[in-house]
Amino acid sequence: GAVVSQHPSRVICKSGTSVKIECRSLDFQATTMFWYRQFPKQSLMLMATSNEGSKATYEQGVEKDKFLINHASLTLSTLTVTSAHPEDSSFYICSARGTGTPSGTIVPDTQYFGPGTRLTVL
Amino acid sequence: LAKTTQPISMDSYEGQEVNITCSHNNIATNDYITWYQQFPSQGPRFIIQGYKTKVTNEVASLFIPADRKSSTLSLPRVSLSDTAVYYCLVLKRSARQLTFGSGTQLTVLP
Repeated sequence: GAVVSQHPSRVICKSGTSVKIECRSLDFQATTMFWYRQFPKQSLMLMATSNEGSKATYEQGVEKDKFLINHASLTLSTLTVTSAHPEDSSFYICSARGTGTPSGTIVPDTQYFGPGTRLTVL
Repeated sequence: LAKTTQPISMDSYEGQEVNITCSHNNIATNDYITWYQQFPSQGPRFIIQGYKTKVTNEVASLFIPADRKSSTLSLPRVSLSDTAVYYCLVLKRSARQLTFGSGTQLTVLP
């Protein structure tokens, strides 16, 4: 239980292009999904929180027009990095928080993380 | 959110028990304690969560004293593959966010 996937796992793009990253909760419904960014040798930094069907809430200093988040269903959230620049190169990680599964394999209200997406902007 | 303090790094040898202690002096009544493990270039993996006393699962134990101002993650008989960064976090069950500290880099030596 508690499987969260991300796609792609790695992406290399040219400066100025847009990149979309998908985050899926595979075996539970995620009422809330989170997007984090992690630079080398540093801890995770929360970028934004999204609830299904509503607008994302961005942390201070994160540009909402640059990092577009869509949470269209209880199992899917997407992060689009628009007009990417080399300074956007980082490790992007999503997490999903659910209320539980019928099999009881997840801890309610606990965040489960995806494997991450390595973005490199040339 | 309650701030946590944990050692930056720890070394251990294969087969030993490892205890990582985290302090969270301003933990609130309805806060829980959660530990995650992260390998390089991977997302954090949930290890264990507890509120008080002791919690045990198939990979670790979590000891929380009565005052709840600290907690100890115990990893029995570590192996080389347990080398990772371990994060201690304090959160309310309905918290909007997790705030990650610097974590503890555990290195298991042969």
